[in-house]
Amino acid sequence: DVKVTQSSRYLVKRTGEKVFLECVQDMDHENMFWYRQDPGLGLRLIYFSYDVKMKEKGDIPEGYSVSREKKERFSLILESASTNQTSMYLCASSLSSHTTEAFFGQGTRLTVV
Amino acid sequence: GQQVMQIPQYQHVQEGEDFTTYCNSSTTLSNIQWYKQRPGGHPVFLIQLVKSGEVKKQKRLTFQFGEAKKNSSLHITATQTTDVGTYFCAGVGSNDYKLSFGAGTTVTVRA
Repeated sequence: DVKVTQSSRYLVKRTGEKVFLECVQDMDHENMFWYRQDPGLGLRLIYFSYDVKMKEKGDIPEGYSVSREKKERFSLILESASTNQTSMYLCASSLSSHTTEAFFGQGTRLTVV
Repeated sequence: GQQVMQIPQYQHVQEGEDFTTYCNSSTTLSNIQWYKQRPGGHPVFLIQLVKSGEVKKQKRLTFQFGEAKKNSSLHITATQTTDVGTYFCAGVGSNDYKLSFGAGTTVTVRA
């Protein structure tokens, strides 16, 4: 079974802190994604990566950056956390190209106070 | 950029009834996927449609991809309490790897 693991299930950070959310997949998938999920808004794509060291902006990249130094790991960085970044963050991976399903991690509930 | 819209946002269904949720994209898609998220869980893949006009069935669930590859629907017959959750469609653009989700349809079932 594919496993996508997010480093924390719950996280509380202070405004202005730099926050790292880590995601690891164990199936040699090429594509990795970061989404945030808010009530009524569904899953909004923040960033995605289709290869090591490659990254593409999604629909809402402002205030975030990402890092993919190794194929299995995709990190989401909040440079200076703000309260409007309080959300559920979901990482996903898919095998390759356009036509494969995405596997999701359990999510990280981030609260910025 | 590519936008995926989904309606209705909420669907309250009497157990045993049928319902349909619809998905529309602003651009042509290379494929469309459907996911289900149970309360407290994460999205889980249900199915993928690739061909224009494609129809696929999974037991009581029927999925359809439009002829123009810009819209899709999920029809559930004889709704059961196990169908409770949020159903998302997600589209991949023709020219990129971006997987964009709709806002989801949250289904509740009255016994």
